This record gives sequence, structure tokens and C-alpha cells, in this order.
Amino acid sequence: DAGVIQSPRHEVTEMGQEVTLRCKPISGHNSLFWYRQTMMRGLELLIYFNNNVPIDDSGMPEDRFSAKMPNASFSTLKIQPSEPRDSAVYFCASSILAGRFDNEQFFGPGTRLTVL
Amino acid sequence: RKEVEQDPGPFNVPEGATVAFNCTYSNSASQSFFWYRQDCRKEPKLLMSVYSSGNEDGRFTAQLNRASQYISLLIRDSKLSDSATYLCVVNMPGAGSYQLTFGKGTKLSVIP
Repeated sequence: DAGVIQSPRHEVTEMGQEVTLRCKPISGHNSLFWYRQTMMRGLELLIYFNNNVPIDDSGMPEDRFSAKMPNASFSTLKIQPSEPRDSAVYFCASSILAGRFDNEQFFGPGTRLTVL
Repeated sequence: RKEVEQDPGPFNVPEGATVAFNCTYSNSASQSFFWYRQDCRKEPKLLMSVYSSGNEDGRFTAQLNRASQYISLLIRDSKLSDSATYLCVVNMPGAGSYQLTFGKGTKLSVIP
């Protein structure tokens, strides 16, 4: 069975460029999460969707970040313009439905972003 | 106070040893607790949920102490393959949102 799929796996870009990260959740999962992981801050939730609707975007660092989920099988996280401090591993995760007591989140392999 | 706090380690233990990790959380209203495992340069994966009565899965035992807001993970008979970072995860309820907050992790190295 396919797990969560993310692309690209690695991205190197220059400051000021637009970056788009992509995610395909597990089929049948209704919740999708975007996380960012750095050594300093650990794993941080950026935004999550239930049934394609953004529920909580309080973790989005600033207006340069935006996320969309146009349908149940696809989501994007966009950074425009990118800055060196955005360098991190970005994970997408999905689950059956956020809010269940024992809900397991399944993570994709991540996108390693380097902004020069 | 950090929302979920863990000793970063590293814990370097010989094969066959028993090792315990601890975690504290700040929100007394939290209802869900988990341990995730993350191998180097890989994604986190659920290791086990933590229930109020404590639970065991093979060599792994998880305990929850709500009064002290404390979670533990015990690994018996450590294997080389247990080497990884262990993330303590707690839900932070509020405002209709369901947010899992991850600790920064405790690194374990099991040595031959």
C-alpha cells in the first residue's frame, strides 16, 4: 500500500525564490498535516486540514507561507519568497480524522529544503 | 515551561540493557499520549499509544502519570535496531483544534 507521498524529496533554492512542496495523503484519510522539523525547534505543526478545509493555521510562521488542499488527494505548501531560515525538513502527515483519541498520524518521507 | 519536555540524551547503552525515557507535558487537559520513533533522516513513526493504565508491547512499556503530567517509556533487552530518536507526543486541546505537540526527542544508541 502506498503511504504518504511527498515531492520533491530534496530542494535547493536561492533566497527570494518561490518553493512549492507537494503531498498526496493516504487514500481514505480525511486529515492532513504539514510539519517543519529543525534541530533547534524540533517538529512543529504548521497547519492542518480536515476534509480539505484548513482547521488550524496558527503554526504558519508568517505570510510568506501558504497551504492549500484543493481535493482529498493533494495538498501544497508554498513559501514565497523563501529565506535561509526556512531551511528545514518539511513533513506531510495524514490520519483518518483528527480528534479521535488514538488517532495515528502517518508521515511522508519529508522534503529537505535548503535555501541559500 | 516547554509544552513537551524530554531529555535529549544521547543515551548510549549496551545490547541487552534496560533503558527508560521520561517526558513531561504542561497542559493538564491533554487526553492523548504517544511515543513515536524516528530513525536518522527518516520520518517519525508511531511506536505506541500511552493509556492511563499503562500498556506493554513486547519489550516496550509505556506509563502515564496524570497527576505529575509525566510519561515514560521503558525498553527491555535493548537491540541494536532500537537505536533511534524517541519522540514524546501529546495532544494540546483547545478551540476546536486537535494538535499533536512533539517533544524534541531522546536519542538512543545501542552499542554492541
